[in-house]
Amino acid sequence: EAGVAQSPRYKIIEKRQSVAFWCNPISGHATLYWYQQILGQGPKLLIQFQNNGVVDDSQLPKDRFSAERLKGVDSTLKIQPAKLEDSAVYLCASSLVQGVNEKLFFGSGTQLSVL
Amino acid sequence: RKEVEQDPGPFNVPEGATVAFNCTYSNSASQSFFWYRQDCRKEPKLLMSVYSSGNEDGRFTAQLNRASQYISLLIRDSKLSDSATYLCVVNKSFNKFYFGSGTKLNVKP
Repeated sequence: EAGVAQSPRYKIIEKRQSVAFWCNPISGHATLYWYQQILGQGPKLLIQFQNNGVVDDSQLPKDRFSAERLKGVDSTLKIQPAKLEDSAVYLCASSLVQGVNEKLFFGSGTQLSVL
Repeated sequence: RKEVEQDPGPFNVPEGATVAFNCTYSNSASQSFFWYRQDCRKEPKLLMSVYSSGNEDGRFTAQLNRASQYISLLIRDSKLSDSATYLCVVNKSFNKFYFGSGTKLNVKP
């Protein structure tokens, strides 16, 4: 079974530039998540989708971050304009359905460096 | 207060040692619990779920104490390949997963 696919694997940009990340979840997984992981910390949820609707975006810095999940399958996360503190690994994850014992499956992440 | 708290370590242990990690969570309504393993520069991967009755998978044993809002992971007979960061994860509701900051384990020869 194919896992969660993410691209690009690495991205280096200058501050104030824009960047976009792409994610394709495991086939059939209705819930998709974007997490930000800063070095030495645990992943922090940015946004959660159920199919193509947003379930939680309370920690998404909406002045610069946006995300969409058209057709309820793949998703893009955009940062515009980027700041130095956005340097982190951006992880996409998916889970099958909403349930008590559902598990998260992660993609390999995009490591973003903002110079 | 953080949803999930862990001792960041690092725990430096020799091969063959037994090591235990603890984790506390703040919300008593939390419904399911997991340990994830994260290798350096890799994504987190599920190690095991944690059940109220306690569960074991080979050298790994997980325990949950709902009354104290406490989760533990015990690793017996540590191997060099166990060196990683161990993330405690709590699912509160509607698939909202909260992560601890991770506990780093270094197993040395």
